[in-house]
Formats: sequence, C-alpha cells, structure tokens
Amino acid sequence: SYVLTQPPSVSVAPGKTARITCGGNNIGSKSVHWYQQKPGQAPVLVIYYDSDRPSGIPERFSGSNSGNTATLTISRVEAGDEADYYCQVWDSSNDHLVVFGGGTKLTVL
Amino acid sequence: EVQLLESGGGLVQPGGSLRLSCAASGFTFSNYAMTWVRQAPGKGLEWVSTISGGGGGTYYADAVKGRFTISRDNSKNTLYLQMKSLRAEDTAVYYCAKLPGDFWSGSRYFDLWGRGTLVTVSS
Repeated sequence: SYVLTQPPSVSVAPGKTARITCGGNNIGSKSVHWYQQKPGQAPVLVIYYDSDRPSGIPERFSGSNSGNTATLTISRVEAGDEADYYCQVWDSSNDHLVVFGGGTKLTVL
Repeated sequence: EVQLLESGGGLVQPGGSLRLSCAASGFTFSNYAMTWVRQAPGKGLEWVSTISGGGGGTYYADAVKGRFTISRDNSKNTLYLQMKSLRAEDTAVYYCAKLPGDFWSGSRYFDLWGRGTLVTVSS
C-alpha cells in the first residue's frame, strides 16, 4: 500500500516560514491535499491539488509537489497556525483509495 | 448554511453494533460523494469508507471491510455508517466529510467536515 511520511513535529518562530514535508514514492505524479486540525476541532482543507487554496484560506498558505516530496509552506507564521497538519492522496492501487500522512504538529515558539 | 452533523456515537461492547448518521444541509446532497474518516484518541486521521453520490459505488478500508457498511438516503440528506463486530481498535472520533463532486468527477479530497461523533468500544 502507498505510504505518506511526515515529520512528527516542526517548530517555527512567529513571523518566520514553516515548511512541512510529505514524502511518498513518486508523489509528484499524484495530487496532494493538505488539512489543518486544531485541538478538539475537525480538520479543515487548506490546500488542494498540490497548490490551490480554498476560499477563506490566507495566501500565507502555499503548496508544492515534485519528485518524492510534497511541501506545505506557511509564510509569516502566526500563533493561530499552531495545529496538526495532514497530507492526503488518493491511491487506487490495491483498493487503498485514500491515504493520509501520519500528521505533523506545528509548534509556534 | 453548509454543514454536516454526525450523531449516533456512544459506548458499545466488543462484538456489538452501532449506526452512525450524518445529516447534511445547505447543498444538494445527492450531487456529492461522501466519506467517513476516523481518528483514534491521540492518533492521526484514518480513512474508513466512501460512497458515490447516487450510492451505487462504495469503497472501504481493509480494516473495516466486511464489518462496516456505508449507505445514504438522498431523500433525507443523510449519510450512514453501519458498524458491526466492533473491536477496541475501532474506538475513535468518526467524521463525515464531503467531496467537492461525485466520485467519478476525479476531485478526491474533502472540502467540508462535520464535528465528529465519538465511538468507544469497551467492556
């Protein structure tokens, strides 16, 4: 089955740039989607199709995908960005249709 | 207002059954595929099942295949998850989520989530 690998944690100071990676075999050939989940809340879509932002998501959130790594970039990080972030792909091989990464806890120092 | 509201969670003994519901409002329910995703306490997101807009296509994670059944009633704008032979490892918050189109549209991400309902499997 397809595996997505994320770092368990990333720390960044306010105002700096956070980069959260999502590794997978030839992930650049797939569409990657990202979700933000704050404690006690449901996930929220922040990036879809590698780099598109839903309405209402700040321009500070951006994404890229190439080779074996997809990246969620959060510029000018704010305290309110502290959350867990999950990447997701749709993989039709072996009937494992939806795959999530293990999640990354973003800590704002 | 566009929203999803889950219900039906609770405490159930191992081997028991439970049916979750997800009431949708604010959009034309039958036009969209829907999914269930769960999250065990302190753990990450795990996909459970997806159903097409008309209900004719259903897909399951290996961990629940043969035990869980996803269905929908488009006349009631409601998604269901029938869970049988429950195990301790099924303990989780269960979220329903909406895809941005029908299953065959190719848009396979989740643009709207409910708040979740907690299922606890314990004796």
